[in-house]
Amino acid sequence: LAKTTQPISMDSYEGQEVNITCSHNNIATNDYITWYQQFPSQGPRFIIQGYKTKVTNEVASLFIPADRKSSTLSLPRVSLSDTAVYYCLVGDHSGNTPLVFGKGTRLSVIA
Amino acid sequence: GAVVSQHPSRVICKSGTSVKIECRSLDFQATTMFWYRQFPKQSLMLMATSNEGSKATYEQGVEKDKFLINHASLTLSTLTVTSAHPEDSSFYICSARATGSGYGYTFGSGTRLTVV
Repeated sequence: LAKTTQPISMDSYEGQEVNITCSHNNIATNDYITWYQQFPSQGPRFIIQGYKTKVTNEVASLFIPADRKSSTLSLPRVSLSDTAVYYCLVGDHSGNTPLVFGKGTRLSVIA
Repeated sequence: GAVVSQHPSRVICKSGTSVKIECRSLDFQATTMFWYRQFPKQSLMLMATSNEGSKATYEQGVEKDKFLINHASLTLSTLTVTSAHPEDSSFYICSARATGSGYGYTFGSGTRLTVV
């Protein structure tokens, strides 16, 4: 399973765009990149998933360069409620293999 | 979207007793479910993979006789913490993926176990 590396923590002011980069140098050909958000005492929540280039949904964008060795989660105009831990995971996501979590990035949004 | 329901959300038990945690896939069938444990300020640690109709696969260091997993149907997996001790106090989370889901894996809301 590909190992991921993310910053341990980040701080941001409300209204700013936040970009969290994840390194996954040994990503496999059939691996997808998925980001999850976790609030205290809750299970992780799916944010976005991608394979290459750029993916955008109603809450975030995911940028993946051509070599796929890294990815960047972009959160536009964060609010206090975006304070959470964000996990980058890489895997085939077939449903038969478990997700292996790294340490994640603790984002603190300040008023 | 795919929903995983986990129950109870919180439980306090006395040392030496057993506690059962249920994980249900509400709108999809899950032949495979996963159980995680999370200590304060730490990441999720995979404990075991639960397979419908067969024995669970445990991660290294997880005692299978202490953490009993049963996956008797395509929508229900249970984790029983037997003879619980204070060091078993943790946040337990289950997960599954609906086939064809574009939403990745779905996680339950977690169970906060406190052993006193």
